Amino acid sequence: EPEVTQTPSHQVTQMGQEVILRCVPISNHLYFYWYRQILGQKVEFLVSFYNNEISEKSEIFDDQFSVERPDGSNFTLKIRSTKLEDSAMYFCASSVQGAGYTFGSGTRLTVV
Amino acid sequence: KNEVEQSPQNLTAQEGEFITINCSYSVGISALHWLQQHPGGGIVSLFMLSSGKKKHGRLIATINIQEKHSSLHITASHPRDSAVYICAVDTDKLIFGTGTRLQVFP
Repeated sequence: EPEVTQTPSHQVTQMGQEVILRCVPISNHLYFYWYRQILGQKVEFLVSFYNNEISEKSEIFDDQFSVERPDGSNFTLKIRSTKLEDSAMYFCASSVQGAGYTFGSGTRLTVV
Repeated sequence: KNEVEQSPQNLTAQEGEFITINCSYSVGISALHWLQQHPGGGIVSLFMLSSGKKKHGRLIATINIQEKHSSLHITASHPRDSAVYICAVDTDKLIFGTGTRLQVFP
């Protein structure tokens, strides 16, 4: 069964450093998403991406965040200057319109 | 007020019991999803519903669009069903409920 692949599975970074989280969506999916889950809290929407541009973003997705599809297969989330409160599990998901979502296994980001 | 409300937040059951988890929502949706999250954190899609009822093995999901309510049922529960079950509504993005932590004891 096709999978969404996320790397790395764990990342520890110092406050103020830049991190890039990577995702390989399912190849025929057209819609891509990033969600995050702070420990003990519910999953929150960050951003959706379609046709090589952002289609919607949440209030959380401020200027510190950016997304790219650099090579037609990878889908990345960059956090420019990490803060302690960015520590969370970050999930990538992809979908075909009208069908279900497939989630990656997540990247656990710890900012120290 | 949360757009997606789940109940109960925590649920403990003996193996073999019938389980029901409820979800209510307050926004217009194109579909409702039931998801399962295991302790390692990964999220697995169980059902996508836009009307009626779906069944997969011992799991049954129903939705009432007029009442904006969905239920997830587990028949003959088993310890391997222990996980967090999450209701999420689709509004061109997913809005998640807080989840129901289910523990099934032998």
